[in-house]
Amino acid sequence: QSALTQPPSASGSPGQSVTISCTGTSSDVGYFDYVSWYQQHPGKAPKLMISEVSKRPSGVPDRFSGSKSGNTASLTVSGLQAEDEADYYCSSYAGSNTVVFGGGTKLTVL
Amino acid sequence: QLQLQESGPGLVKPSETLSLTCTVSGGSISTNSYYWGWIRQPPGKGLEWIGSIYYSGSAYYNPSLKSRITISVDTSKNQFSLKVNSVTAADTTVYYCARIGRSSGGTIDYWGQGSLVTVSS
Repeated sequence: QSALTQPPSASGSPGQSVTISCTGTSSDVGYFDYVSWYQQHPGKAPKLMISEVSKRPSGVPDRFSGSKSGNTASLTVSGLQAEDEADYYCSSYAGSNTVVFGGGTKLTVL
Repeated sequence: QLQLQESGPGLVKPSETLSLTCTVSGGSISTNSYYWGWIRQPPGKGLEWIGSIYYSGSAYYNPSLKSRITISVDTSKNQFSLKVNSVTAADTTVYYCARIGRSSGGTIDYWGQGSLVTVSS
């Protein structure tokens, strides 16, 4: 069970869009439509932003969207705002009631 | 509003056992819709899935940690617990307890605030 691969950093200016990738294998991301994305601000617990590849929980702005193609999932943040600056983690169901996380991406709003 | 709260010692000696408890309030742990899990995060690093448990007691562990971990549940107290044996400095992390959707493939919709455990003599 290896960690999913995310770029260590991403950045964009206010109002722009940024996409963060999350690459797994045919045993996790590629097999199950159970990719989640979490936002984590410093010193805080992670917050669910996207579940099941593209579902947005109540209260999450529609600027956040998710997608998947093959073994790679993506999180897109449109209309970047200062408060979007945070660490973002993807996760995928990996079978047998286990989950694997990505290494995290630090999103900087320039 | 569901709340999860971790509790336990903040300092554990090397080779000893780390024990944490998560108390769930605002909802019952005895539900078929969710299971309950532990995730950890070394300071400044990424998240690592430790394992999870149903209220029935069925537990599932990260294969890389399985030999040292036990997760248990006490439905009478609405709590679940984590034990990590033979700890080393590498087990110094923030430990989170969480609620996990059973039908949503491991989606975590509620997290505890996190509990920092330091392994040091």
